[in-house]
Amino acid sequence: NAGVTQTPKFRILKIGQSMTLQCTQDMNHNYMYWYRQDPGMGLKLIYYSVGAGITDKGEVPNGYNVSRSTTEDFPLRLELAAPSQTSVYFCASSYSNVGQGYGYTFGSGTRLTVV
Amino acid sequence: GESVGLHLPTLSVQEGDNSIINCAYSNSASDYFIWYKQESGKGPQFIIDIRSNMDKRQGQRVTVLLNKTVKHLSLQIAATQPGDSAVYFCAVQNQAGTALIFGKGTTLSVSS
Repeated sequence: NAGVTQTPKFRILKIGQSMTLQCTQDMNHNYMYWYRQDPGMGLKLIYYSVGAGITDKGEVPNGYNVSRSTTEDFPLRLELAAPSQTSVYFCASSYSNVGQGYGYTFGSGTRLTVV
Repeated sequence: GESVGLHLPTLSVQEGDNSIINCAYSNSASDYFIWYKQESGKGPQFIIDIRSNMDKRQGQRVTVLLNKTVKHLSLQIAATQPGDSAVYFCAVQNQAGTALIFGKGTTLSVSS
């Protein structure tokens, strides 16, 4: 099993450009999450999904959009890139919600720089 | 709002020492707690978890202690090795039970 796969690993964007960060998992997990990690900081939740067709905002959703058309895929869209979106982005998945004692499996991250 | 705090951003130990990394959380209703290890350039990796109905749980060379009275969580690593050098995050279930809130992390450096 590949687990959680994120592409690309690195990307440099110009201000105002758009891009989609891809995330796919092969563990048949219902829950998927996007976090961003800024230097020296913990992970901040951007969006999450409890199943195909259902998404919800996390702590820092502004400037991002997501969709969940299949169980496997959870892409994150940046429409108008800003320097404040320079960060490392992590996708994660879990079998069920953390309230039932299910932790996450993380991808290896996408390092995004906006210049 | 909910928060997960940190006691020390960095910890330096000698190989063979025991390491203790601490974490504090704000939501007394939190039920599930996890420690993750993140090596440079990689995603966080699960180390050990604990639910609120326990106060201690042991794994291989790691122990998690939970003190719900003072809302404090700690990770103990026995006989620390150079391969344990990484950033360690505690994560706590949010109030809605839908996601994890992460602390800022403690960077553990192990010298031989």
